[in-house]
Amino acid sequence: DTEVTQTPKHLVMGMTNKKSLKCEQHMGHRAMYWYKQKAKKPPELMFVYSYEKLSINESVPSRFSPECPNSSLLNLHLHALQPEDSALYLCASSQGSGRGSSGANVLTFGAGSRLTVL
Amino acid sequence: RKEVEQDPGPFNVPEGATVAFNCTYSNSASQSFFWYRQDCRKEPKLLMSVYSSGNEDGRFTAQLNRASQYISLLIRDSKLSDSATYLCVVNRAGQAGTALIFGKGTTLSVSS
Repeated sequence: DTEVTQTPKHLVMGMTNKKSLKCEQHMGHRAMYWYKQKAKKPPELMFVYSYEKLSINESVPSRFSPECPNSSLLNLHLHALQPEDSALYLCASSQGSGRGSSGANVLTFGAGSRLTVL
Repeated sequence: RKEVEQDPGPFNVPEGATVAFNCTYSNSASQSFFWYRQDCRKEPKLLMSVYSSGNEDGRFTAQLNRASQYISLLIRDSKLSDSATYLCVVNRAGQAGTALIFGKGTTLSVSS
């Protein structure tokens, strides 16, 4: 079982809907991430939260809105999405967000939320 | 130049073969390097971190060459269960938070 829990596992939504993806970890990790993965492509970084503050936004469209209510939770709010936004959305966490050693930056991924936009 | 580049795949090898994957990265200031494995329709999972001195975990050996900005993964005595996509991951140096960037991945298929 993964130590990063994502809900829902599957989500189908229309282009006018508002929905949210949720992610939770209880490993005491201080950095949390959202990645987007399309079929046969690698994960693409979307957002990084470090100590509950947004530290990186990879120029993601505003129809994706991240939120980090506390150190264990990460949400991704979705509004007015397009069919091309259909993908697997992966949440991950790491011990720290230091620039240094590899150990603190090891990512632990959740199983993902598979999103279909109709 | 892309931030992280990997060998194109797929690699199709018989059981017992030795196979090597290569990866290059563009930012000389990067300090964190990993190999992840991803099975079909599953999340990526850490295979091993890559250290400057090189490191080995059973049949898997990772090497880092900072001068050439090159990372490698060697798999010896391939098993059917090694079939997966192998992703090279490097941090993007210079940002306040850690951006871990994935290469495109190399697909390995081990056959009996």
